[in-house]
Amino acid sequence: GAVVSQHPSWVICKSGTSVKIECRSLDFQATTMFWYRQFPKQSLMLMATSNEGSKATYEQGVEKDKFLINHASLTLSTLTVTSAHPEDSSFYICSANREAGSFRTQYFGPGTRLLVL
Amino acid sequence: GNSVTQMEGPVTLSEEAFLTINCTYTATGYPSLFWYVQYPGEGLQLLLKATKADDKGSNKGFEATYRKETTSFHLEKGSVQVSDSAVYFCALSTTGGFKTIFGAGTRLFVKA
Repeated sequence: GAVVSQHPSWVICKSGTSVKIECRSLDFQATTMFWYRQFPKQSLMLMATSNEGSKATYEQGVEKDKFLINHASLTLSTLTVTSAHPEDSSFYICSANREAGSFRTQYFGPGTRLLVL
Repeated sequence: GNSVTQMEGPVTLSEEAFLTINCTYTATGYPSLFWYVQYPGEGLQLLLKATKADDKGSNKGFEATYRKETTSFHLEKGSVQVSDSAVYFCALSTTGGFKTIFGAGTRLFVKA
């Protein structure tokens, strides 16, 4: 089956630093990827839709300058948390749409746990 | 707008008990419906799905039927195991499978 990977799987950083998280579709091309954020014991909240070759579409309330998204190729999207602060600590999950005709199937990555000290 | 409502947890059951986790949705058009499972410390795994009314999705003993008349997609399993302990998310995807909207999740604990 289709596989989506994320790197790193977990990261600890100091407040004020920037952290980059990669999301890759390993055996298919994805023109659209999604970034979600999950707080402990809560559901996934869609942060943004990443479109290959164009700007990401952010959900309401998500800071574009804080969470930079780059979808440079059909198999890679990156999320950079800029000037991270403790409140950015969370579980970040990406997903990628695999297209088959007019239907799309969404595959999720294993997640990246970020802890900002 | 589109939304998913599922029963609050946690749900605690003994091994071999019957499981039902309720899920209802609000959507325009004809969404696809999903159940995802998240084991501790891991990402989401698709458990089952249904793409049209009256479809039944099933996997690993779990099943759910797409009920358009009641806008529901309840998850059931006849006999749970300790290894089923996880968080279960009901979700819908708009026509064409573009965006997925998740319910709040229901945590299941199964005791031996």
